[in-house]
Amino acid sequence: KQEVTQIPAALSVPEGENLVLNCSFTDSAIYNLQWFRQDPGKGLTSLLLIQSSQREQTSGRLNASLDKSSGRSTLYIAASQPGDSATYLCAVRQGGSEKLVFGKGMKLTVNP
Amino acid sequence: DAGITQSPRHKVTETGTPVTLRCHQTENHRYMYWYRQDPGHGLRLIHYSYGVKDTDKGEVSDGYSVSRSKTEDFLLTLESATSSQTSVYFCAISEESGYTFGSGTRLTVV
Repeated sequence: KQEVTQIPAALSVPEGENLVLNCSFTDSAIYNLQWFRQDPGKGLTSLLLIQSSQREQTSGRLNASLDKSSGRSTLYIAASQPGDSATYLCAVRQGGSEKLVFGKGMKLTVNP
Repeated sequence: DAGITQSPRHKVTETGTPVTLRCHQTENHRYMYWYRQDPGHGLRLIHYSYGVKDTDKGEVSDGYSVSRSKTEDFLLTLESATSSQTSVYFCAISEESGYTFGSGTRLTVV
């Protein structure tokens, strides 16, 4: 059974820092991995999708990498801003499955 | 935007009553999903659908049923609501660009 872990559960940093958010998964036979952002009381917003054949994806200040063999993905946030404060969720879609398995998320606070 | 609408946005109901949540999509996506989100558990799959009248169970399906009589609508029914079903419920669709989620329904069972 696939398990997805995000450590730490919370992170508080000053504005301007470059951040690395970690996601690990137990079964490397994934189809893709998706990073989401969730603001308090809101739905999930997709940030980046990495297919199993890809090593990384970039969107603006965000860069996500994938290492299937080690069961890890990282989300890099450059020059963090208070507006980046949110919970970040990692989710894995297993090969041969349509279902997403989520980590429990990491709550990020960027202080001005 | 995948055009996903969930209704109602908020609901308070009494223990033992049936409750139906609705998910509506406008872009003819084949796959639709219902998740619940709870502190300490994250998002967990309840049921999903891969076409009209084609549905399957997720990891937390007990106490829930679903129906999909039209491509655009996926209904989640709590047969007899319990306090443990107090949660935020999210509907989602999947496409090549990944999953897209609705805004959620906050359900409180008192």
